[in-house]
Amino acid sequence: AQTVTQSQPEMSVQEAETVTLSCTYDTSESNYYLFWYKQPPSRQMILVIRQEAYKQQNATENRFSVNFQKAAKSFSLKISDSQLGDTAMYFCASLNTGGFKTIFGAGTRLFVKA
Amino acid sequence: EAGVAQSPRYKIIEKRQSVAFWCNPISGHATLYWYQQILGQGPKLLIQFQNNGVVDDSQLPKDRFSAERLKGVDSTLKIQPAKLEDSAVYLCASSKIGQLEAFFGQGTRLTVV
Repeated sequence: AQTVTQSQPEMSVQEAETVTLSCTYDTSESNYYLFWYKQPPSRQMILVIRQEAYKQQNATENRFSVNFQKAAKSFSLKISDSQLGDTAMYFCASLNTGGFKTIFGAGTRLFVKA
Repeated sequence: EAGVAQSPRYKIIEKRQSVAFWCNPISGHATLYWYQQILGQGPKLLIQFQNNGVVDDSQLPKDRFSAERLKGVDSTLKIQPAKLEDSAVYLCASSKIGQLEAFFGQGTRLTVV
């Protein structure tokens, strides 16, 4: 079975500070990918960052980085220097390369306060 | 490059009525997905097309939902008859074959009253 769990329904952070969003996943596949998507109020899902399971090095994308713990099946997102525009829903997702089916977690609503 | 286009943006219908949503994927994207996103939840895959063939429709409630992609380009998703629990945002996404990243449209918010 392929599952993704986000245990933080809502979080807030002060502008310019750092916040970490948690995600755990489960899959029986050996080859898979993990993603963080951002969904602002406009509803359009935007890919923030992705991680290939076979890579040990954690992915980074400007202010966004992940902490990928494969043995623990954990995939957290760290946002540094938070900006007001980071306010959105954040979804963790996994994709098994066998079926190319992306499974999403329930999401974490992030508020960045001025 | 134009993004994934969806229409309408909003739709309100009464239960037992029918409704259809339209999606035009990014040009050249052979794979098309329809997701249902209920308020407070993550998107759930309803159906996945590759060109005009169905790859996965295991979570599509086939007694009331149908989808087609006749020419392998744009797609329609239909609900007939609608139930209150169908109230959700319906997202369409597309990707190139073998591409990891799916590009999403802005979705259609359906309210069933």
